[in-house]
Amino acid sequence: NAGVTQTPKFRVLKTGQSMTLLCAQDMNHEYMYWYRQDPGMGLRLIHYSVGEGTTAKGEVPDGYNVSRLKKQNFLLGLESAAPSQTSVYFCASQEYNEQFFGPGTRLTVL
Amino acid sequence: QQQVKQSPQSLIVQKGGISIINCAYENTAFDYFPWYQQFPGKGPALLIAIRPDVSEKKEGRFTISFNKSAKQFSLHIMDSQPGDSATYFCAASIRTSGSRLTFGEGTQLTVNP
Repeated sequence: NAGVTQTPKFRVLKTGQSMTLLCAQDMNHEYMYWYRQDPGMGLRLIHYSVGEGTTAKGEVPDGYNVSRLKKQNFLLGLESAAPSQTSVYFCASQEYNEQFFGPGTRLTVL
Repeated sequence: QQQVKQSPQSLIVQKGGISIINCAYENTAFDYFPWYQQFPGKGPALLIAIRPDVSEKKEGRFTISFNKSAKQFSLHIMDSQPGDSATYFCAASIRTSGSRLTFGEGTQLTVNP
């Protein structure tokens, strides 16, 4: 099992550009999450999904959109990137009470 | 609103010493308290977790102490090793609400050889 994978690993964007981060899991988990990690601020929940076709807002959803068209995939979109979205993004899936995290995507917005 | 406060932000310990990281929570409905460990360049991974019906849980060198009345819990790392150097996050959730985790701010632990 690959677990949770994220694509891409690194990306540099210019302000105003758009991009999509892909998260895939092969553990058949229903719940999936997108977090951003910034120094001194821990992990902040952006959006989450409790099953295929469902999404919900987390703590910091502004400027992001998500889709869960297939159970194994959870996509995070930035329509118009801003420097404030420079961060490391983690995807996670969950079984029972344990979350399994991907390796992260480091995004820089210039 | 930060519902889980973690301290210290950084911690330096000598090899063989005890590392202690503290967390405090506000929401009394929380009923699951995990700790995650994150190595540089990696995603966090579950280290140990506790439910509020017990006051302590030990797994090897790692122990969670839980004080329900004070709404506090802490991670103790005994005989700390350089390989324990990582960022540690406490978290809390309500199991019946889909178990969304609320994370603390994180503690960067450095264990010097």
